[in-house]
Amino acid sequence: AQKITQTQPGMFVQEKEAVTLDCTYDTSDPSYGLFWYKQPSSGEMIFLIYQGSYDQQNATEGRYSLNFQKARKSANLVISASQLGDSAMYFCAMREGRGTYKYIFGTGTRLKVLA
Amino acid sequence: GAVVSQHPSRVICKSGTSVKIECRSLDFQATTMFWYRQFPKQSLMLMATSNEGSKATYEQGVEKDKFLINHASLTLSTLTVTSAHPEDSSFYICSARTGGRGTDTQYFGPGTRLTVL
Repeated sequence: AQKITQTQPGMFVQEKEAVTLDCTYDTSDPSYGLFWYKQPSSGEMIFLIYQGSYDQQNATEGRYSLNFQKARKSANLVISASQLGDSAMYFCAMREGRGTYKYIFGTGTRLKVLA
Repeated sequence: GAVVSQHPSRVICKSGTSVKIECRSLDFQATTMFWYRQFPKQSLMLMATSNEGSKATYEQGVEKDKFLINHASLTLSTLTVTSAHPEDSSFYICSARTGGRGTDTQYFGPGTRLTVL
């Protein structure tokens, strides 16, 4: 069965430092997509970054990068130069297979950036 | 681009009434929209997948007669919580898929907080 695991319920990071949020997944389908979303206290889900299972290179979007290790089935989010506004809940999600557009979400990691 | 709106953002109603929540894709056409429910400090739970012009597909355990979904156009889907009860109080979030070649990324609305008294 498909599964997404985020083992860190909460993380702290000092402002301007980098932080890694862990995500592991389990699927038997060779075609899948991995996503990271940020949910601030306002509740909206903000799309951060996407990695396809066939992508050869790790995805990057500004200060966000995805450390994709296919053999380990991990898709960790790296936030560089943390800012106070990065404090939020972060969810990892997976879309499994082609033709299905449903996501499975992890349980989330709450990140707090310290001044 | 890829903006999704939801209305209302917050609603308080009495037990037994019905509540309609609208989800609109503002700058793109969304053939598929999704409705999620989120309890405090928990993850998102998919309730149903909504395709324009066809019946919604509900996830296991979600009562289709309780949560009516209509996807009347490529930019609008509605969720109606019928005969709401306090246990229906939750944060409801919709998303829309941009589709096309590429990521099939879902873009989310800002959510609707429903409180049933």
